[in-house]
Amino acid sequence: DAGVIQSPRHEVTEMGQEVTLRCKPISGHDYLFWYRQTMMRGLELLIYFNNNVPIDDSGMPEDRFSAKMPNASFSTLKIQPSEPRDSAVYFCASSLAWGLAGVDTQYFGPGTRLTVL
Amino acid sequence: QKEVEQDPGPLSVPEGAIVSLNCTYSNSAFQYFMWYRQYSRKGPELLMYTYSSGNKEDGRFTAQVDKSSKYISLFIRDSQPSDSATYLCAMPGGANNLFFGTGTRLTVIP
Repeated sequence: DAGVIQSPRHEVTEMGQEVTLRCKPISGHDYLFWYRQTMMRGLELLIYFNNNVPIDDSGMPEDRFSAKMPNASFSTLKIQPSEPRDSAVYFCASSLAWGLAGVDTQYFGPGTRLTVL
Repeated sequence: QKEVEQDPGPLSVPEGAIVSLNCTYSNSAFQYFMWYRQYSRKGPELLMYTYSSGNKEDGRFTAQVDKSSKYISLFIRDSQPSDSATYLCAMPGGANNLFFGTGTRLTVIP
């Protein structure tokens, strides 16, 4: 398996522009997670899906952020309009299971490094 | 107060040294304790995890949990240059979240 695939790997854009990040999870994984990583705040969970349904989006910082999962093999994270403080590395991860009843490994993609000028 | 606190380092050690990486946490309900390793320009990968208190050993790596002090540690014996990475502790909290430390950057010098 190729693992979790993210695109683009790098994105440089100007403030106010729309940014779309893409993720393909590992086939067969029911859970998909979007994280943001910065030096100051570390890794933060933004949203996660179970069987393509958003379960918890409480980590999404503002209405400028939205995420979709139209099918089991594809998800997007969109920022519109983008701001300089959105500059970070955005990771997508997937896992077979989740929840306190059973901890399962989250497999992370390589990340998208976003710079908003 | 953050759920999980971790000294960001950086930490530089000579090859062969014993490395100690630590995290503290605030929520006494945490039961699982995980360590992720993240190489430069890569995503984190799960290194090992423990349940409740005690030690767990995997090769050169030992994870230790002290729930009474809300303190966890990762020890690396005979450290190698290939161990150079950022190490993140993480703890699942509730059904919906995984709380990460900010990570400690480790460099093992040949």
